[in-house]
Amino acid sequence: EDQVTQSPEALRLQEGESSSLNCSYTVSGLRGLFWYRQDPGKGPEFLFTLYSAGEEKEKERLKATLTKKESFLHITAPKPEDSATYLCAVLAYYGNNRLAFGKGNQVVVIP
Amino acid sequence: DTEVTQTPKHLVMGMTNKKSLKCEQHMGHRAMYWYKQKAKKPPELMFVYSYEKLSINESVPSRFSPECPNSSLLNLHLHALQPEDSALYLCASSQGLAGGTTYNEQFFGPGTRLTVL
Repeated sequence: EDQVTQSPEALRLQEGESSSLNCSYTVSGLRGLFWYRQDPGKGPEFLFTLYSAGEEKEKERLKATLTKKESFLHITAPKPEDSATYLCAVLAYYGNNRLAFGKGNQVVVIP
Repeated sequence: DTEVTQTPKHLVMGMTNKKSLKCEQHMGHRAMYWYKQKAKKPPELMFVYSYEKLSINESVPSRFSPECPNSSLLNLHLHALQPEDSALYLCASSQGLAGGTTYNEQFFGPGTRLTVL
């Protein structure tokens, strides 16, 4: 069974204090790893897809990286508007076409 | 354009009511999904449609009935719901179910906040 574990569950950052979120996964044949941002009461917003170890993608203050066992979402010099829950999900090659989600990283950036 | 729209934004219904949730996308995607999300939990898959045919039903109770009238529209018909069905219902779409690269990227709508009294 695919497993996705995100840590830390919750993180409070001072504005400008860079940090990283971790998503470790166990899957037989990774088809893709996806990062989403979700604000309270809203749908997840697609951020990145990573397909192979060593791949990196960037968007504004966010940078996602991938190894064979985990992905990191680096937040550089965060601003209060970066406060959100960040969801990691994996899709496996075999069978079921279902995204396996982690429980999320809840990030609060304090001005 | 990566927009998925959902209506209504909020819905309050009694346990004997019948209501429907609607989802629409104009990205030419051929796979559409319904998810249920409880507070502080990740989305849980309910149904998947591929090329307008039901592909996955995650053993969802029959009081939830999905429908895909065409490749752009997805409905979720609700009947005789229970208070524990109160949640955020999310629709998503992707280019398809197979293949690599961007094919499997799912784009979510804003959700419908459902309250069952």
